[in-house]
Amino acid sequence: GDSVTQMEGPVTLSEEAFLTINCTYTATGYPSLFWYVQYPGEGLQLLLKATKADDKGSNKGFEATYRKETTSFHLEKGSVQVSDSAVYFCALRDQGAQKLVFGQGTRLTINP
Amino acid sequence: ETGVTQSPTHLIKTRGQQVTLRCSSQSGHNTVSWYQQALGQGPQFIFQYYREEENGRGNFPPRFSGLQFPNYSSELNVNALELDDSALYLCASSVDRTSGNTIYFGEGSWLTVV
Repeated sequence: GDSVTQMEGPVTLSEEAFLTINCTYTATGYPSLFWYVQYPGEGLQLLLKATKADDKGSNKGFEATYRKETTSFHLEKGSVQVSDSAVYFCALRDQGAQKLVFGQGTRLTINP
Repeated sequence: ETGVTQSPTHLIKTRGQQVTLRCSSQSGHNTVSWYQQALGQGPQFIFQYYREEENGRGNFPPRFSGLQFPNYSSELNVNALELDDSALYLCASSVDRTSGNTIYFGEGSWLTVV
C-alpha cells in the first residue's frame, strides 16, 4: 500500500540556518504530494503541495519539488526563523483515493 | 483559520463509554474526512463522507461510525471506548472528492480515555 517515510526527528537548528527535511514515498498510482505543519496545540495547516512530477510547491519561504525518479518530496528553507518551530508532516494522496497518507512527522525546533 | 470547526476541543471519557465529536466543514465543501492522530504519530484516516454517504474507510473497527448531515456537517461516534482511543481527532473538508483538491483541517478534538 501507499506509504510515506520522513526524516527522523527531532531536528534542532539555529535561526537563519538552512533546513532540509527528507520525505520519500511509495504509491501505486500518481499521487499528489503535500507538506502540512502543526504548531503546538493546533490542527494541521497546509504548507505547500505539488500535484505532478517536477512541480515545485512553495509558501512562506519553504519549497519542495516532486521528484518521481527518486520518489521524493524534500522540504527546504533557506533561512529558518524561531516561528518555524513546529511539527512537519509529509503526505500523499493517490489518484482517485479518498485519504491522505501521512508520514510520522518531524519535530523542528529553531533556537534564537 | 481554515473554516473547519470542531467541538468539543477537549474531553475525558471512561473506558467503555461512548463519545460523539462534531465538525462543521468549510462553506461550500461537501466532503468531510476524519483522522485519528495518536501522540507522536501522523494522522491515520478513519473514513470519509461525501454528500451524506460513507465514501471510504480506513483500518478502524465498526465501533467507529459517522454521519454527515444535509448541511455537510459531520459527527464521529466511537462506542465502547478503549484506552488506545486516546488521541487527537481531526476533521478535514474539501470542495469535493477529487484527489488534487486541497484538504483543510480543523484544530481537532483531544480525547482522553481513562
